[in-house]
Amino acid sequence: DVKVTQSSRYLVKRTGEKVFLECVQDMDHENMFWYRQDPGLGLRLIYFSYDVKMKEKGDIPEGYSVSREKKERFSLILESASTNQTSMYLCASSLWGPGGTDTQYFGPGTRLTVL
Amino acid sequence: GENVEQHPSTLSVQEGDSAVIKCTYSDSASNYFPWYKQELGKRPQLIIDIRSNVGEKKDQRIAVTLNKTAKHFSLHITETQPEDSAVYFCAASPWDGGYNKLIFGAGTRLAVHP
Repeated sequence: DVKVTQSSRYLVKRTGEKVFLECVQDMDHENMFWYRQDPGLGLRLIYFSYDVKMKEKGDIPEGYSVSREKKERFSLILESASTNQTSMYLCASSLWGPGGTDTQYFGPGTRLTVL
Repeated sequence: GENVEQHPSTLSVQEGDSAVIKCTYSDSASNYFPWYKQELGKRPQLIIDIRSNVGEKKDQRIAVTLNKTAKHFSLHITETQPEDSAVYFCAASPWDGGYNKLIFGAGTRLAVHP
């Protein structure tokens, strides 16, 4: 059974702080993703990674960076948190499947509040 | 890039009725269309998916249809039950240099009333 875990379920930070959100998967998946989920906007892709030390921008990368030093771990970094980054953050992972697609398995999410 | 529109944003049905959620996509090169269900307070989970070489797929009470010409796909739930109440997301996977990424719709909140 695939397990994707995230470092915190709830996080409260102040404007300007540097914030680290961590995601770990235990199924040796090549692909890992960071999304933010906001009401009425669905899941929007921030960054993804298809291999260690590789990263690609998603649709809303501004204000975020990522790090993937090990295959099982993918970190999302908010360099200087702002109130408009208050959101639910979801991590996901998947195999490199046939045709380049496969099921994405999600973590439980981190609800981040920036004051 | 790919854009996925999903309708309706909310759907309310009586237990036992059918529910239909529709999505349209913009990139004709998209070739994989999954549906995820997110129950309140839980993580999204895949419930069914379809690839572009298939027109319809069924799994018990849920089915997905794909019209490549019109670039739309739909989720059909028959004999709805209260446990079907959740937010449903459609997604499309564009061909983007071989990267495995999904573009999600905005979601449909389905409420099934006993």
